[in-house]
Amino acid sequence: KQEVTQIPAALSVPEGENLVLNCSFTDSAIYNLQWFRQDPGKGLTSLLLIQSSQREQTSGRLNASLDKSSGRSTLYIAASQPGDSATYLCAGSGNTGKLIFGQGTTLQVKP
Amino acid sequence: DVKVTQSSRYLVKRTGEKVFLECVQDMDHENMFWYRQDPGLGLRLIYFSYDVKMKEKGDIPEGYSVSREKKERFSLILESASTNQTSMYLCASSPVLGYQPQHFGDGTRLSIL
Repeated sequence: KQEVTQIPAALSVPEGENLVLNCSFTDSAIYNLQWFRQDPGKGLTSLLLIQSSQREQTSGRLNASLDKSSGRSTLYIAASQPGDSATYLCAGSGNTGKLIFGQGTTLQVKP
Repeated sequence: DVKVTQSSRYLVKRTGEKVFLECVQDMDHENMFWYRQDPGLGLRLIYFSYDVKMKEKGDIPEGYSVSREKKERFSLILESASTNQTSMYLCASSPVLGYQPQHFGDGTRLSIL
């Protein structure tokens, strides 16, 4: 059974810093890995999706990587801004399309 | 842009009531999902549907049922609401299972008193 873990649970950084959020999964037979952002009291916003055949995806200041062999994905945020403060969730999908979510990393970027 | 609309942001009901949570998507997606999100437990899949009138149980279907009579609408039903069903409920949709991102609504915060 797929399990997804995100460490750390919370992270606080000064504005402008580059940072990496970590996600690990137990089953390497993964179809894709999605990263989401969630603002307090809101739904999830899809940030990046990496297919199992891909190594990374980029969108603006965000870069997500996937290493199936080690069971890891990272979300790199360049030049962090206070507006990046949110909870970031990763989720792995098998061939059924069902997403298994990690617990999330709550990021605070201080001005 | 994909829009997934949940009918209520906040809802308060009493134990034993039958509760309906509605979700509508405007992108003709085949697949729709219902999750609940609880502190310390994260997001868990309740039910999903990959076509009209089709449904599959997720990880925590007990106490819930679903209805999908039209492609754009997926309803979650709490047959007899209980206090342990107080939670944030999130609906999502996607066009192709496993290959396209899921798009989420803003959520319904449901309180059962």
